[in-house]
Amino acid sequence: DVKVTQSSRYLVKRTGEKVFLECVQDMDHENMFWYRQDPGLGLRLIYFSYDVKMKEKGDIPEGYSVSREKKERFSLILESASTNQTSMYLCASSPRDRDQAFFGQGTRLTVV
Amino acid sequence: QKEVEQNSGPLSVPEGAIASLNCTYSDRGSQSFFWYRQYSGKSPELIMFIYSNGDKEDGRFTAQLNKASQYVSLLIRDSQPSDSATYLCAVIMSGGYQKVTFGTGTKLQVIP
Repeated sequence: DVKVTQSSRYLVKRTGEKVFLECVQDMDHENMFWYRQDPGLGLRLIYFSYDVKMKEKGDIPEGYSVSREKKERFSLILESASTNQTSMYLCASSPRDRDQAFFGQGTRLTVV
Repeated sequence: QKEVEQNSGPLSVPEGAIASLNCTYSDRGSQSFFWYRQYSGKSPELIMFIYSNGDKEDGRFTAQLNKASQYVSLLIRDSQPSDSATYLCAVIMSGGYQKVTFGTGTKLQVIP
């Protein structure tokens, strides 16, 4: 089975902190994604990566950056956390030749 | 206009009935369509995908795609209380890399 693991299930950070969310997949997938999910807004794509060191902005990249130094790991960075970044963050991966995304368990981030 | 639209519900159906979930999308060139199920507090899991016009059946689930009408639906036969969840429609739009765009989801309640 595909396994996508996010480093934390729950996280509480202070405004202005630099926050790292880590995601690791064990199926050698080329594509990796970061989404945030908010009530009434659904899943919104923040960034995605289709290869090591490659990244593309999604629909809401402002305030975020990403890093993909190894194929299996995709990190989301909040440079200076703000309260409007309180959300559920979901990482996903998919193989290059198939479209179906597999999700991690999610990280519920609260910025106070 | 949202790129992928779903009625937020809740859609209530009695146990044993057919649940019909609907989704419309704006990009006529979209090629890949998915249905994800998300239980409360959990991450989305893929239940169906469809690429061609027509119906695709998998157990109690049937996905229907009509590209001319830009419409995709999910039918759940013999609905069970365990089917109660939010169902997310997802579409890969034309052009660029494999960016998956999600609808906001329809909450389904199956009443015993």
